[in-house]
Amino acid sequence: GAGVSQSPSNKVTEKGKDVELRCDPISGHTALYWYRQRLGQGLEFLIYFQGNSAPDKSGLPSDRFSAERTGESVSTLTIQRTQQEDSAVYLCASSSQTGNEQFFGPGTRLTVL
Amino acid sequence: QQQVKQSPQSLIVQKGGISIINCAYENTAFDYFPWYQQFPGKGPALLIAIRPDVSEKKEGRFTISFNKSAKQFSLHIMDSQPGDSATYFCAASIDSGAGSYQLTFGKGTKLSVIP
Repeated sequence: GAGVSQSPSNKVTEKGKDVELRCDPISGHTALYWYRQRLGQGLEFLIYFQGNSAPDKSGLPSDRFSAERTGESVSTLTIQRTQQEDSAVYLCASSSQTGNEQFFGPGTRLTVL
Repeated sequence: QQQVKQSPQSLIVQKGGISIINCAYENTAFDYFPWYQQFPGKGPALLIAIRPDVSEKKEGRFTISFNKSAKQFSLHIMDSQPGDSATYFCAASIDSGAGSYQLTFGKGTKLSVIP
C-alpha cells in the first residue's frame, strides 16, 4: 500500500511568514509523529498524536510551532513567524497502535530566507 | 544533553569489508533500540531493531550487538556493498505507557563503501 506522504516536498519562505506542512499517514496507522532534521544532525522529536488522545507536544521548540490532526488521518504542522533557524527538513512518521516501527515520509525541506 | 551519542560521524569502508557503527545511551529507561538507514532526499527507513532482553540480533548482513551494562549498542554490516552507502542513525525509545514511542536519535553516521 501507499506509504507516508508529505507536501510540499520543498518550501522556501521569507522570514516572518507562516508556513503549513502536511502529512498523510499510512492508512490505519493511529500514531503520527513529527520530527525535525537540521543539516548534518539527527532527528528531533516535535509532537506525537495517538488516536483521539491529547497530543504529546513536549518536543515543540517554541509557541510558534503547532500541529493538528483530524481523527486518524491528515496532520498539519504550522510554523508561525518563521525564523532562519527553522530551516530544516520536517519529517512525519506513522505507526500502528501496537507497533514500535515508525514509517517515515520523504520530508518537507523548509528554507527560510 | 544528548541522550544518544553516535560514532563515528563518517566511515569509509572497502567493498566486502565490515562496517561498524557505535552508539551509547544515558537513559536506562530506554527499551527499544532501532537503526535507521537514510538515503539522500528520502526519509529514514527501519533497518533492524533490538530490545534489551537480548544481546544480539542478526538479519541478513546486518547485526545489532547490545551491551546493557555498558549502555552501548552497535550496528555491524558484513560484506559491505556500495549500495549500503547511506547515513545510518541509531535511536532509542521508551514505552511511556501511553504508547508514545517517541524516538531519540543519534546524530548519524555517513557510510561510504568504495569498490
